[in-house]
Amino acid sequence: SAVISQKPSRDICQRGTSLTIQCQVDSQVTMMFWYRQQPGQSLTLIATANQGSEATYESGFVIDKFPISRPNLTFSTLTVSNMSPEDSSIYLCSVSLMNTEAFFGQGTRLTVV
Amino acid sequence: AQRVTQPEKLLSVFKGAPVELKCNYSYSGSPELFWYVQYSRQRLQLLLRHISRESIKGFTADLNKGETSFHLKKPFAQEEDSAMYYCALSLHNFNKFYFGSGTKLNVKP
Repeated sequence: SAVISQKPSRDICQRGTSLTIQCQVDSQVTMMFWYRQQPGQSLTLIATANQGSEATYESGFVIDKFPISRPNLTFSTLTVSNMSPEDSSIYLCSVSLMNTEAFFGQGTRLTVV
Repeated sequence: AQRVTQPEKLLSVFKGAPVELKCNYSYSGSPELFWYVQYSRQRLQLLLRHISRESIKGFTADLNKGETSFHLKKPFAQEEDSAMYYCALSLHNFNKFYFGSGTKLNVKP
């Protein structure tokens, strides 16, 4: 299994600012994933964070809005840039081991005012 | 493109009644299907996966490729089963998961 820690657990931010979310895993993993869960909706994959290369973004998500870093095999950050109220969501970090199961962090609850 | 559909947003049953949470998927390849559960104030966690053919907490799910379905069933619901349930599809070798919109199960005493 994998234990994932996310920081911060929640934040309230002013529109137009940026927030960086950190994700730490207790084991080395090749790929890390970032999801968004908007109020009352399901999890939507934002991007795959690859160590040593640029992140791969899903349709509808762009690097300028959601820049991602992956400096090593146990850590990644997701930045939500130039925030608007529509960015209010829970952001989740996830890893998958041996293509069998996905493990999730507790999530970061972001409120943009 | 891959898609997972859970038609019911909310399902309410009485304790001891049978439960079936529906899940349909669309994907041109051979997907791996999962059910994830999120109890109140807890993180999302795996309930079961189709390749294991296992029963967890009394829940089972059978992959029906003809109907492209992966419904979750339990013969006798318990109050502690109340939670959000997400059906998910994983693309082979890609490790990415695509989730349905979720079904909130409410088991009444």
